[in-house]
Amino acid sequence: KQEVTQIPAALSVPEGENLVLNCSFTDSAIYNLQWFRQDPGKGLTSLLLIQSSQREQTSGRLNASLDKSSGRSTLYIAASQPGDSATYLCAVIHNYGQNFVFGPGTRLSVLP
Amino acid sequence: GAVVSQHPSWVICKSGTSVKIECRSLDFQATTMFWYRQFPKQSLMLMATSNEGSKATYEQGVEKDKFLINHASLTLSTLTVTSAHPEDSSFYICSANPVQDIQYFGAGTRLSVL
Repeated sequence: KQEVTQIPAALSVPEGENLVLNCSFTDSAIYNLQWFRQDPGKGLTSLLLIQSSQREQTSGRLNASLDKSSGRSTLYIAASQPGDSATYLCAVIHNYGQNFVFGPGTRLSVLP
Repeated sequence: GAVVSQHPSWVICKSGTSVKIECRSLDFQATTMFWYRQFPKQSLMLMATSNEGSKATYEQGVEKDKFLINHASLTLSTLTVTSAHPEDSSFYICSANPVQDIQYFGAGTRLSVL
């Protein structure tokens, strides 16, 4: 059974810092991995999608990497801003599945 | 782009009543939709897979008689929480994928059972 973990559970940084969020998954037979952002009481916003054959994806200040063989992904946020404060979720889809398995999330607070 | 609409966004009900949540794919057909549940400060957990024209597939520990799923058309799946109790209070969110690579999520429904 696929399990997804995220470290740290919570993170508080001053504005302007670069930061890294970590995601691990137990079954490397994934179809893709996706990073989402969730604001309190809200739905999900897709940030980056990495196919299993890819090593990284970039969008603006965000960069996500994938090491499928070791079951790890990282989300790098450059020059953090208070507007980045949210919970960041990592999720994977298995090769033979369609639904996501989500990690518990990292709650990020960027202080002005 | 493709959008999944979920309604209502927030519902408060009395214990013992039933609540229906709708999930619509607005510009694509979805033979499969997914229902997730998120308890406070926890991650999303898959409850069930909704299949158009056939019975839903429920995850272990999810009561199919309590969480009724109907997927009568290619653009609509409904989740009915029957005889809701305070422990059913949660954030429910649906998703649908026009192709395997892409999955779109609804905005979610916050259910509060008094």
